[in-house]
Amino acid sequence: RKEVEQDPGPFNVPEGATVAFNCTYSNSASQSFFWYRQDCRKEPKLLMSVYSSGNEDGRFTAQLNRASQYISLLIRDSKLSDSATYLCVVNIRGNYQLIWGAGTKLIIKP
Amino acid sequence: ETGVTQTPRHLVMGMTNKKSLKCEQHLGHNAMYWYKQSAKKPLELMFVYNFKEQTENNSVPSRFSPECPNSSHLFLHLHTLQPEDSALYLCASSQGGGLGEKLFFGSGTQLSVL
Repeated sequence: RKEVEQDPGPFNVPEGATVAFNCTYSNSASQSFFWYRQDCRKEPKLLMSVYSSGNEDGRFTAQLNRASQYISLLIRDSKLSDSATYLCVVNIRGNYQLIWGAGTKLIIKP
Repeated sequence: ETGVTQTPRHLVMGMTNKKSLKCEQHLGHNAMYWYKQSAKKPLELMFVYNFKEQTENNSVPSRFSPECPNSSHLFLHLHTLQPEDSALYLCASSQGGGLGEKLFFGSGTQLSVL
């Protein structure tokens, strides 16, 4: 089983719609969680950290479910510019390394 | 601009060549990283330098050799590479010393080994 698993997509979504995708992690000692965004042929950039209580940044909402070991990302009122690959990242307690998912590709269509 | 500059952006090399990738960060960070990204695969951590000391070396073949002369510069020396080494190589930096820190990436070097 992969340490961090994501549906590769692509998710094809009309502009203005709401889209959500999950990321599951296998290590219960995971303590920090992040969503990064990577545009085609560009570097990853931090989108948001994921806190236990959940957090919201404008149209983006991230949630953590420790019991079921997954995190989620919800995008409301999607824009064409939201088209990208969204990378789920997990840090294991006491470990320097970040564990990366392979990403979920999102395509917003006009 | 993320404050992390990588050169070259693209590199094509034969299996017998020797080349180097360069990374420079202008953020005052103390940790620098090399990652490999192959198509449709997760980022793979190759090396970590924290305060100029190498803290991670994830069983990377010796044909990849990192060098960190100071906390602002990082090199990846390449020699006798294989075609399967073709990938996007990303440099990143972070504040340093902590766990699960925010990473700032360079634009990457797209490497093709013929």
